[in-house]
Amino acid sequence: GEDVEQSLFLSVREGDSSVINCTYTDSSSTYLYWYKQEPGAGLQLLTYIFSNMDMKQDQRLTVLLNKKDKHLSLRIADTQTGDSAIYFCAESGAGSNTGKLIFGQGTTLQVKP
Amino acid sequence: ETGVTQTPRHLVMGMTNKKSLKCEQHLGHNAMYWYKQSAKKPLELMFVYNFKEQTENNSVPSRFSPECPNSSHLFLHLHTLQPEDSALYLCASSGGGSGGPPYNEQFFGPGTRLTVL
Repeated sequence: GEDVEQSLFLSVREGDSSVINCTYTDSSSTYLYWYKQEPGAGLQLLTYIFSNMDMKQDQRLTVLLNKKDKHLSLRIADTQTGDSAIYFCAESGAGSNTGKLIFGQGTTLQVKP
Repeated sequence: ETGVTQTPRHLVMGMTNKKSLKCEQHLGHNAMYWYKQSAKKPLELMFVYNFKEQTENNSVPSRFSPECPNSSHLFLHLHTLQPEDSALYLCASSGGGSGGPPYNEQFFGPGTRLTVL
């Protein structure tokens, strides 16, 4: 079945780069997403990548996609304390015509000053 | 108000109670979703509505009953819940149908923190 896995926790120092990794099982996913959840809030779309791309850069964010290994990563450059949150990887469900997304369990990013 | 709103933000209920969660979106979207978020587990999709029709029920127990009276409102009716149903319930909306972003980007509400005693 469809499955998305992430490590649960990452701790970095302010100013360092953070790399959050994700693996997924459905090779037919058209889009892969990164969402951010701050305390007490819902999820907010950070960025996404189309499956025929291998990299996308958006300011401090870099998404890398390795389709062969079904591996997605999110790199945050110059990590700030405001980046502390839970980051969710998601893939679009195969064969779905409903906009269905399959999420991982989320990686908690802790940024130390 | 703008975006996706959810009420109540917090709810404590006994196992024999009946309560309802409400979600409202002010984005002109046609698809709405209920998710369950439990600690250290993947976000679980529960229900999807497209143009007021239920298009996905992810094997959710019948003690959870969704209702979508129009494209802007979504309810989750709760009855005879179990303690393991305690979680954050998130509502989301998107443009509707298939396809990817930006049209089908999902916008989330802040959630209802549910505790079942």
